[in-house]
Amino acid sequence: DAGITQSPRHKVTETGTPVTLRCHQTENHRYMYWYRQDPGHGLRLIHYSYGVKDTDKGEVSDGYSVSRSKTEDFLLTLESATSSQTSVYFCAISDPGTSGMKQYFGPGTRLTVL
Amino acid sequence: EDQVTQSPEALRLQEGESSSLNCSYTVSGLRGLFWYRQDPGKGPEFLFTLYSAGEEKEKERLKATLTKKESFLHITAPKPEDSATYLCAVQAKGGSEKLVFGKGTKLTVNP
Repeated sequence: DAGITQSPRHKVTETGTPVTLRCHQTENHRYMYWYRQDPGHGLRLIHYSYGVKDTDKGEVSDGYSVSRSKTEDFLLTLESATSSQTSVYFCAISDPGTSGMKQYFGPGTRLTVL
Repeated sequence: EDQVTQSPEALRLQEGESSSLNCSYTVSGLRGLFWYRQDPGKGPEFLFTLYSAGEEKEKERLKATLTKKESFLHITAPKPEDSATYLCAVQAKGGSEKLVFGKGTKLTVNP
């Protein structure tokens, strides 16, 4: 299994509070991604990073920000959580140089916003 | 806009009853098509990458095939442990490493 951990694994929070999810990898892969998975929508890309301090938006980036200060860590922040952000969040990694285009996924974080 | 459509949404089979899952795609130049398996409460697990029409890949009871418009995941003599959601994704040419996923097919294999 690819060395990807996500924390926390479960979180319940209230509307309007800030939330930060962490993805940590031990594979030294260049690319890191944040997805959300919802019934009826499948996996949708929120943001991704192609290097330290290099990030770009995905298809559902509104309300989310990211940061990557080290190769191994990619943080997803919900500045002011809303109920529509209740979802399961997955981190993924890839590196064209070592593993081709395939992405490896972490175990997920289940976030509930009340 | 790149799109992936998977069918059926759900499929229920008896053990040993072979079938196929479909993934139709539209993409501005295909760089790769990916199949993943996802078990409940877990992250997707990589199965196959297909790069060009006519290509086939096999792993145990699974075989993935690719045409210019769709991919099939054939499951031969499935077992209950093959029960999972199968996801299809495409990556377009153009330098981006992003994947576009379909909504998945939930497969249940009854003993």
